[in-house]
Amino acid sequence: EVQLLESGGGLIQPGGSLRLSCTASGYLFRTLAMSWVRQVPGKGLEWVSGISLSGRETDYADSVKGRFTISRDNFKNTLYLQMNSLRGEDTAIYYCARVGIAAPIDYWGQGTLVTVSS
Amino acid sequence: QPVLTQSPSASASLGSSVKLTCTLSSRYYNHIIGWHQQQPGKAPRYLMKLEGSGRYDRVSGVPDRFSGSSSGADRYLTISNLQFEDEAHYYCETWDSGTRVFGGGTELTVL
Repeated sequence: EVQLLESGGGLIQPGGSLRLSCTASGYLFRTLAMSWVRQVPGKGLEWVSGISLSGRETDYADSVKGRFTISRDNFKNTLYLQMNSLRGEDTAIYYCARVGIAAPIDYWGQGTLVTVSS
Repeated sequence: QPVLTQSPSASASLGSSVKLTCTLSSRYYNHIIGWHQQQPGKAPRYLMKLEGSGRYDRVSGVPDRFSGSSSGADRYLTISNLQFEDEAHYYCETWDSGTRVFGGGTELTVL
């Protein structure tokens, strides 16, 4: 059974940094791309960032470009999101998501809440 | 990048059918999309992949009451024999190169 387990969320002051992790199990992690998607409570889904299966290609939403960095460790079956210069508008539930081959997101984690507030 | 447009809300009676629409921006009219369901307080759940031809691949475990179809740039999710547990937000998703895009979501109420 595929499982994606996020961790690292919490309360952080504006301007601060936080690193999210997502540990994958139940499949060969290194064979599929991954994404981070966020959701402000009560609002819709917003794609944040994606990474290729090798980790060599990365993409970012304009709203986080230059502040967030996605990476992965295929030996540890773990996806990361380093978030710097955090703002109030980054407050959201952050979901780790597995991306099918030339296909939609096909598995979601349970999410981790990031709250940016003083 | 593509834009996906969804109506904010829909409603239908228990046991009836409802058809939700996701419209692709014209340049991307033939793109494949995914449909996702998000029940209250839960993480999203992937339902199916839907091609421009109307062919769809429903995920194992998703009831066959859920089906997909397409017409031009429109992608549809039809839910038949509506149940109270179908009350949820439904999002469509597509991608272009490495960027992914979601529609704004449709909140479905089962009356």
